[in-house]
Amino acid sequence: DMKVTQMPRYLIKRMGENVLLECGQDMSHETMYWYRQDPGLGLQLIYISYDVDSNSEGDIPKGYRVSRKKREHFSLILDSAKTNQTSVYFCASSSGTGGYEQYFGPGTRLTVL
Amino acid sequence: GEQVEQRPPHLSVREGDSAIIICTYTDSATAYFSWYKQEAGAGLQLLMSVLSNVDRKEEQGLTVLLNKKDKRLSLNLTAAHPGDSAVYFCAVSGSGGNYKPTFGKGTSLVVHP
Repeated sequence: DMKVTQMPRYLIKRMGENVLLECGQDMSHETMYWYRQDPGLGLQLIYISYDVDSNSEGDIPKGYRVSRKKREHFSLILDSAKTNQTSVYFCASSSGTGGYEQYFGPGTRLTVL
Repeated sequence: GEQVEQRPPHLSVREGDSAIIICTYTDSATAYFSWYKQEAGAGLQLLMSVLSNVDRKEEQGLTVLLNKKDKRLSLNLTAAHPGDSAVYFCAVSGSGGNYKPTFGKGTSLVVHP
């Protein structure tokens, strides 16, 4: 069963706290992505990972970092979260490197107070 | 970098009518094209995808047209039904070795019974 999972689904943090969002996939896909979705802005690419320890900045990497130590697992870390990082975060995966035919997780709704 | 414009932002049709969503992109070397559907509170679901060597693809009431000359991608939902009500996104990637996907801002489709 092709699936992308995200944990947690909902998270409330205070400004300055650290945040860890986790994503897993069971398709052995090489490429994984982190996006944030805000009303009126569509999806914005934060980071892309082409395989284990092969990560590349997306369009809005500032304030975020990622970790990929296993092919099936990709983490997004916010060190000292800010209120403007309140958003819905989506993880996705795809086979190959082309950004083609992505499979998305259900999203994590993060609120930073 | 690649720019994608998606229109219309909102679309309302009656059950049985066609719904057409259009994306235009800027980079003529773009290689990969996808359409996604997002229902309320959920992640994006891959609908259809085409490579740049495909002009037309039809699957289960959906038609994707790619006009490379005009750099235009369209999604046609023939005979829409209320269950098609959702937000639809186009995504393009793969131009000149840049595999970071770019999404349109979405079209909110409402199909009235």
